[in-house]
Amino acid sequence: EAGVAQSPRYKIIEKRQSVAFWCNPISGHATLYWYQQILGQGPKLLIQFQNNGVVDDSQLPKDRFSAERLKGVDSTLKIQPAKLEDSAVYLCASTRGLGETQYFGPGTRLLVL
Amino acid sequence: GQQVMQIPQYQHVQEGEDFTTYCNSSTTLSNIQWYKQRPGGHPVFLIQLVKSGEVKKQKRLTFQFGEAKKNSSLHITATQTTDVGTYFCAGLVRGTASKLTFGTGTRLQVTL
Repeated sequence: EAGVAQSPRYKIIEKRQSVAFWCNPISGHATLYWYQQILGQGPKLLIQFQNNGVVDDSQLPKDRFSAERLKGVDSTLKIQPAKLEDSAVYLCASTRGLGETQYFGPGTRLLVL
Repeated sequence: GQQVMQIPQYQHVQEGEDFTTYCNSSTTLSNIQWYKQRPGGHPVFLIQLVKSGEVKKQKRLTFQFGEAKKNSSLHITATQTTDVGTYFCAGLVRGTASKLTFGTGTRLQVTL
């Protein structure tokens, strides 16, 4: 069974630029999560999808972050415009259903200069 | 909102010594999950505890869930260099979102 795929693995941008990350969950997993992990901290949930609907986006900075999962499979997370404090690893995870074991992708390391 | 704290933040042990990390939630949990993240890697699921007072073992790792379902611990017996990494607990409160809240993590360093 293929794992969660993410791209790109690394990204360096200047502040005020835009960036997008892509995630393809494990086949058949209905629930998809985007986390932000700042160095030395635990993952912080940004947004949670159940199929193509948003279940929780209470911690998503909606003035600059957006995410979609239009067909209920893969997902994109966008930051526009980026700030220095957005430098972090962005992790995507998927589960069969709500509250089940989370399988994480390798993450995208973002550095904002 | 829900908070999950872990102590210690960091522990350095010599190979063969034991290690314990403690996890405390501000709210009662439906279940608790433990993950391990190697340096430069992503979190990998270790175990899930559901019942009050539950104890589970995986080789040298022992996981406990508190009676009140607000705290948990992970104990590693006779650490090895392969145990190096950050251990996160993650608490789940069932509801509409069934959101998992990750703890602050404990970073374990093991030297020979």
